[in-house]
Amino acid sequence: EPEVTQTPSHQVTQMGQEVILRCVPISNHLYFYWYRQILGQKVEFLVSFYNNEISEKSEIFDDQFSVERPDGSNFTLKIRSTKLEDSAMYFCASRVRGGNTEAFFGQGTRLTVV
Amino acid sequence: AQSVTQPDIHITVSEGASLELRCNYSYGATPYLFWYVQSPGQGLQLLLKYFSGDTLVQGIKGFEAEFKRSQSSFNLRKPSVHWSDAAEYFCAVGDNTNAGKSTFGDGTTLTVKP
Repeated sequence: EPEVTQTPSHQVTQMGQEVILRCVPISNHLYFYWYRQILGQKVEFLVSFYNNEISEKSEIFDDQFSVERPDGSNFTLKIRSTKLEDSAMYFCASRVRGGNTEAFFGQGTRLTVV
Repeated sequence: AQSVTQPDIHITVSEGASLELRCNYSYGATPYLFWYVQSPGQGLQLLLKYFSGDTLVQGIKGFEAEFKRSQSSFNLRKPSVHWSDAAEYFCAVGDNTNAGKSTFGDGTTLTVKP
């Protein structure tokens, strides 16, 4: 069964460093998403991406964050100058075209900022 | 803005007992509704979804949920709980103009007593 793949599963970085979280969405999917879950809290929407541009973003997704689909398969989330409060699980998701379709989530990347 | 309320932070049931997890949502149109399960340190697994049609939805692992528009609810049920069902459960409401964008509840932690 096709699945969304995220790498790495766990990343530790120093405060102030840049990190790139990588995702390989399901191959025929056209819509892509990033979500964040701070430990012990709920899952929060960050950004949606379609047709090579951001279609919607939340208040959390400020100038520190950026997304990119650098080639036909990867979807990345870049966090510039990481802060301690960026420590969280980051989930990538993707879905096919169509209204009544759900997003499929990856297993997540746990980011720890020290 | 859409929102989800899961009134029960923590529920404990005995193995073999029935289960109902509550979910209330706020959304200005016909909602997309989801239930996810998450084991510690793991990703999100979709249990079931509602887009339209039959208001009683069957999912995986023996779970079902019923959409009640008049009560703005989408409660999750299982007739007989197994020890392996112990996990965190999230209800989510999807944006029907951006189907992969969901707003999640705070979650309900399920403990199963032997």
